[in-house]
Amino acid sequence: AQRVTQPEKLLSVFKGAPVELKCNYSYSGSPELFWYVQYSRQRLQLLLRHISRESIKGFTADLNKGETSFHLKKPFAQEEDSAMYYCALRIPGGYQKVTFGTGTKLQVIP
Amino acid sequence: GAGVSQSPSNKVTEKGKDVELRCDPISGHTALYWYRQSLGQGLEFLIYFQGNSAPDKSGLPSDRFSAERTGGSVSTLTIQRTQQEDSAVYLCASSSFGGQAKETQYFGPGTRLLVL
Repeated sequence: AQRVTQPEKLLSVFKGAPVELKCNYSYSGSPELFWYVQYSRQRLQLLLRHISRESIKGFTADLNKGETSFHLKKPFAQEEDSAMYYCALRIPGGYQKVTFGTGTKLQVIP
Repeated sequence: GAGVSQSPSNKVTEKGKDVELRCDPISGHTALYWYRQSLGQGLEFLIYFQGNSAPDKSGLPSDRFSAERTGGSVSTLTIQRTQQEDSAVYLCASSSFGGQAKETQYFGPGTRLLVL
C-alpha cells in the first residue's frame, strides 16, 4: 500500500531563511503528488501539485522519483507562511483515494 | 457558488451514543470524500463517493462507521455507539470529477467531534 512520510512534526525557521519541508513516499509506480496547506482557523486547501510544475506563494516542489521524495521549498520564509503543511499522494487512474502524510507545522519566527 | 459546508461545526456526545455528521458538497461536484483528522495522526481517508456510489470504503475504521450519499449531493457520516477514540475532526471534501489529474479537492471546515 502507498504511504506518505513527513518526518518533521514541527519546523521552525527565522523570517527570510530558506524552508524545506520534507516528504517521502512509497509507491512502485508514478504517483500524483500534492502539497496541501492549512492556515490557522482556515480550511485545508491545495497549495500545489507536481503535475503542474507551478510555483505558488513562492513555494516549489520537485518530484524526485529516484529518492521517492517531493520536498516543498521556499527560498525566503515569510511570517504568513506559518501553517500546517500536508504532503499527499494519489494513484493515477481508478478511484480517488488520496493518502496524506501526518503533516508538518511550519513556524516562521519574526 | 458556496464552498463545501459541514454541520454541525462541533459535536459533544457521550460514549455509546450515535452521531450523524453532514456534508454539503459544492454544487455539481460528483466526487465526495470523508477524512478524519486526529491529533498527531494526520489525515486519514475514510470513504469516497462517486455520485451516490461508494467504490472505496476501505478507510472506514470499523462497522460502527457508515456513510451514505443521496441525490448525488448531501452525504451523511454516521458513527454508532461512539467511543472516545472516535474523537477527531471529520473533514469532507468534494471535487468536480473523479479520475482527472488536474482536479482539486475542496475541503469543508470540518466537524469537531468530542466523545466524553
